[in-house]
Amino acid sequence: GENVEQHPSTLSVQEGDSAVIKCTYSDSASNYFPWYKQELGKRPQLIIDIRSNVGEKKDQRIAVTLNKTAKHFSLHITETQPEDSAVYFCAHLGSGGSNYKLTFGKGTLLTVNP
Amino acid sequence: DSGVTQTPKHLITATGQRVTLRCSPRSGDLSVYWYQQSLDQGLQFLIQYYNGEERAKGNILERFSAQQFPDLHSELNLSSLELGDSALYFCASSPQGTGTETQYFGPGTRLLVL
Repeated sequence: GENVEQHPSTLSVQEGDSAVIKCTYSDSASNYFPWYKQELGKRPQLIIDIRSNVGEKKDQRIAVTLNKTAKHFSLHITETQPEDSAVYFCAHLGSGGSNYKLTFGKGTLLTVNP
Repeated sequence: DSGVTQTPKHLITATGQRVTLRCSPRSGDLSVYWYQQSLDQGLQFLIQYYNGEERAKGNILERFSAQQFPDLHSELNLSSLELGDSALYFCASSPQGTGTETQYFGPGTRLLVL
């Protein structure tokens, strides 16, 4: 029950367009869903997270939505800029005996073309 | 700079050998996490320590072991190395090691097994 599937694996957009990355999970008891951004050759960094008691959270051009019924959550980036180009990873926190463990998706390579 | 340090940055070794990767957490953080990142498997959680004690275990092979010392630095030991162990190994830290805290990643150690 810890798997998380992330789509798409690659995404190319024009500067100024929006980008959406979606993740689905199977553990219905999961209650924490962070997104990490990893620029080429650098370390992953948390960009936004959401807890299961809210459906949406925004931080400037980035938003995350959560649908607990359908067990999926999505990252939305509006007005994309070339510096948004990176690999984005979704993750979720396990429940029960795994409630300290983050399971990551396989990542989405986002390319923003100028 | 996240405040998490890892040494060495790069490591090249041969199959069958043993290596030790070192991590120093951010000042004040009590918990350390180890991750393996490879192209085909994404970011895989290996193990977590909190204040010297193992707290959570992921997909860590029996050939791998880790510990966290009284000064809170951690070491990941990889033995009987195989070609498939070539990967980027990240250490992360967080204050209390709860699943919902931001994890701050180090720069990683790139391991190449020849």
